[in-house]
Amino acid sequence: SQQGEEDPQALSIQEGENATMNCSYKTSINNLQWYRQNSGRGLVHLILIRSNEREKHSGRLRVTLDTSKKSSSLLITASRAADTASYFCATNTNAGKSTFGDGTTLTVKP
Amino acid sequence: GAGVSQSPSNKVTEKGKDVELRCDPISGHTALYWYRQRLGQGLEFLIYFQGNSAPDKSGLPSDRFSAERTGESVSTLTIQRTQQEDSAVYLCASSFGNKLYNEQFFGPGTRLTVL
Repeated sequence: SQQGEEDPQALSIQEGENATMNCSYKTSINNLQWYRQNSGRGLVHLILIRSNEREKHSGRLRVTLDTSKKSSSLLITASRAADTASYFCATNTNAGKSTFGDGTTLTVKP
Repeated sequence: GAGVSQSPSNKVTEKGKDVELRCDPISGHTALYWYRQRLGQGLEFLIYFQGNSAPDKSGLPSDRFSAERTGESVSTLTIQRTQQEDSAVYLCASSFGNKLYNEQFFGPGTRLTVL
């Protein structure tokens, strides 16, 4: 199975609400990254959090990492219709190789 | 500073034919990845190139799939005797490939349709 597994698989919210997505993984990592994908094409990197960090912010994004539980969460605050996309976590080992989960599909209704 | 490019953007082929997909990574990126994504699903790792090391081919689904990379430059993914289940978007990504900074930059993908 995938190293990173996102949950929920799908999330539907109203514009202005917050969206939280979770990622769990199995093995030790060097860092964890979140990506966004629109329309089934190329992914765009959102944020990277290193294994010695617990929380990171970027604009309306907040990422947490709990290495003891092998889990991470992505919070999007004050969501907008344009945030509608699929979101993936990728775990990265000391070998430099990334492994992606199956993603969470977020729908933000105007 | 061009990003990762892939060609063709779309490919329609008949079952049994061979196809070749191309990826041009960002200059200076030592790592290159190929992924497959079926409609509505996640990314399926296929193969990983890192510098001059032997590629990690653990994700290739069958011996019909192969990939080559010329140094730290262009890569081609070849699918022989295509089957309908090969229909998917094939994504290429490149990165600096070191453990501290390995954000992946993705190309737009090649949408393969096998009739």
